Amino acid sequence: DAGVIQSPRHEVTEMGQEVTLRCKPISGHNSLFWYRQTMMRGLELLIYFNNNVPIDDSGMPEDRFSAKMPNASFSTLKIQPSEPRDSAVYFCASSLRGNSYEQYFGPGTRLTVT
Amino acid sequence: QKEVEQNSGPLSVPEGAIASLNCTYSDRVSQSFFWYRQYSGKSPELIMSIYSNGDKEDGRFTAQLNKASQYVSLLIRDSQPSDSATYLCAVPPAGNKLTFGGGTRVLVKP
Repeated sequence: DAGVIQSPRHEVTEMGQEVTLRCKPISGHNSLFWYRQTMMRGLELLIYFNNNVPIDDSGMPEDRFSAKMPNASFSTLKIQPSEPRDSAVYFCASSLRGNSYEQYFGPGTRLTVT
Repeated sequence: QKEVEQNSGPLSVPEGAIASLNCTYSDRVSQSFFWYRQYSGKSPELIMSIYSNGDKEDGRFTAQLNKASQYVSLLIRDSQPSDSATYLCAVPPAGNKLTFGGGTRVLVKP
């Protein structure tokens, strides 16, 4: 079975540009999570969805970040405009149900903003 | 106090020895506990989940949970160089969002 799929795997962009990260969760999983990982702050939850509905976006750093889940098999995380401090690895994870259950991570997108 | 705390390490163990990793959490009502392994440059990989007090064994891994003392540990028996990675403890406080500890880096020396 395919795991969580993320694209692109690497993204290099200039400050001020829009960045869109994509995620396809494991089929049948109804919860999806976006994380950001940096050396300084570790692994941080940005937002999570249950049944395509955003449940907790308290981790989204500011209005420049937005996330959508138009259907059960696709989600996007958008940063507009991007800044150098957004440079990090962004992971998408999915879970069979809810945030208290096992989560399975995608390979991540390494974002570099110059 | 952080919600989930781990010693950052590195924890250096000789090949074949037992590696012991500890994690403490602050919320007494947490009901589920997870250990993830993360190799450098890779994504976290779920290796153990535990929900009740006591030990749970899976191959060379044993998770131990003590809810009264609010700690969960991971033992890696017969450590191999391929076990060298960062191990992340994760707990959802009161059923809220899964919170990760900072991770313990493990180095297994041949």
